[in-house]
Amino acid sequence: QSALTQPASVSGSPGQSITISCTGTSSDVGNYNYISWYQQHPGKAPKLMISDVSNRPSGVSNRFSGSKSGNTASLTISGLQAEDEADYYCSSYTSSNTYVFGTGTKVTVL
Amino acid sequence: QVQLVQSGAEVKKPGASVKVSCKASGYTFTSYHIHWVRQAPGQGLEWMGIFNPSDGATSYAQRFQGRVTMTRDTSTSTVYMELSSLKSEDTAVYFCGREYPGNYHPGDYWGQGTLVSVSS
Repeated sequence: QSALTQPASVSGSPGQSITISCTGTSSDVGNYNYISWYQQHPGKAPKLMISDVSNRPSGVSNRFSGSKSGNTASLTISGLQAEDEADYYCSSYTSSNTYVFGTGTKVTVL
Repeated sequence: QVQLVQSGAEVKKPGASVKVSCKASGYTFTSYHIHWVRQAPGQGLEWMGIFNPSDGATSYAQRFQGRVTMTRDTSTSTVYMELSSLKSEDTAVYFCGREYPGNYHPGDYWGQGTLVSVSS
């Protein structure tokens, strides 16, 4: 199972919106709405930001939103803030009854 | 409050095995699956497998099949992940995460991570 493809880095100025893509195949992203997104700050455990493509867990800012089209899922962060600077990973359930993560995207707030 | 507390850092030699624990509290232990995810230094997250504390069922990533074993001790609400035939490439931080069955994500709460270093 190959890792899902994400851009290595994305940057934006405070207040701007950015979008991170996550491309898989018809065996994972394209076939299931079980896409989740994680935020990870250096030296910390991942934090669930989005599940089931677009659902925000309680306590997660509504500046974070998710979507999916075909084999590509996306995470959008609107109103970018300094605290959003972190690594972001997508994850998908797969047809093998396993999970796969994306390659990870470093978000920089300029 | 929900907590997953993992065992401490380990240093192992190539060829050895390591057993990492993940002790759950603040929720019904058998009601949530446990995922294991690892992260090599400077690298991304890698899913290793999922364990059902209710019946002991497992599903492992293909690349770890035959080398990883997940077990539990229900008396202490602890899940264990044992990785054998260690190589230097297994040096990583290992995380456990919990998932409510049917939520289909690797974790809403996570342990603090356990650093496993493999070196001769």
